[in-house]
Amino acid sequence: DSGVTQTPKHLITATGQRVTLRCSPRSGDLSVYWYQQSLDQGLQFLIQYYNGEERAKGNILERFSAQQFPDLHSELNLSSLELGDSALYFCASSATGTEQFFGPGTRLTVL
Amino acid sequence: GNSVTQMEGPVTLSEEAFLTINCTYTATGYPSLFWYVQYPGEGLQLLLKATKADDKGSNKGFEATYRKETTSFHLEKGSVQVSDSAVYFCALSTLGAAGNKLTFGGGTRVLVKP
Repeated sequence: DSGVTQTPKHLITATGQRVTLRCSPRSGDLSVYWYQQSLDQGLQFLIQYYNGEERAKGNILERFSAQQFPDLHSELNLSSLELGDSALYFCASSATGTEQFFGPGTRLTVL
Repeated sequence: GNSVTQMEGPVTLSEEAFLTINCTYTATGYPSLFWYVQYPGEGLQLLLKATKADDKGSNKGFEATYRKETTSFHLEKGSVQVSDSAVYFCALSTLGAAGNKLTFGGGTRVLVKP
């Protein structure tokens, strides 16, 4: 158990809908990262937050957004969902900026 | 930009065989290097890491040495078990003002047969 929690574990929704994925980092970790794992794209970095502020952006679509709250948990919002958004979404957290610890992931299925 | 290339799988081995998974990288600056493992239906677990040239990371019988001259970080285990069946990811990160995201290789699926 990495200490990073993600909810929900599974999410099934329809095209055009909006969903919110939630992540709670390890106690004391200020950095939160979001990654997408899909069969065709592999593991791709989406976005990083550090102590509530956006730190870095990767291949994140404009339909996606994220935030980190004062209690350090983070939410990833995915809107106008398309079939191609079906993937595993991982959250990771870090205290040192070197090691990242991953949550169990949220499997999103868009029908 | 940064990139990681690792050998494609699947790699199928018998129990107690020697495992090597090749990983090479391209990076600006001085990256930290990692191996993560993903067991079926689970998230990624950090297996080992190395933060500077010639460092050797080790954990659970796995080893990898940070080779700056060959830009490589190959994963090895002397005697695999069925429980080592998983997907292994090589990754790097570089610390900077633009954050320290992980850049992953494509993953190598390893299947160990009894």
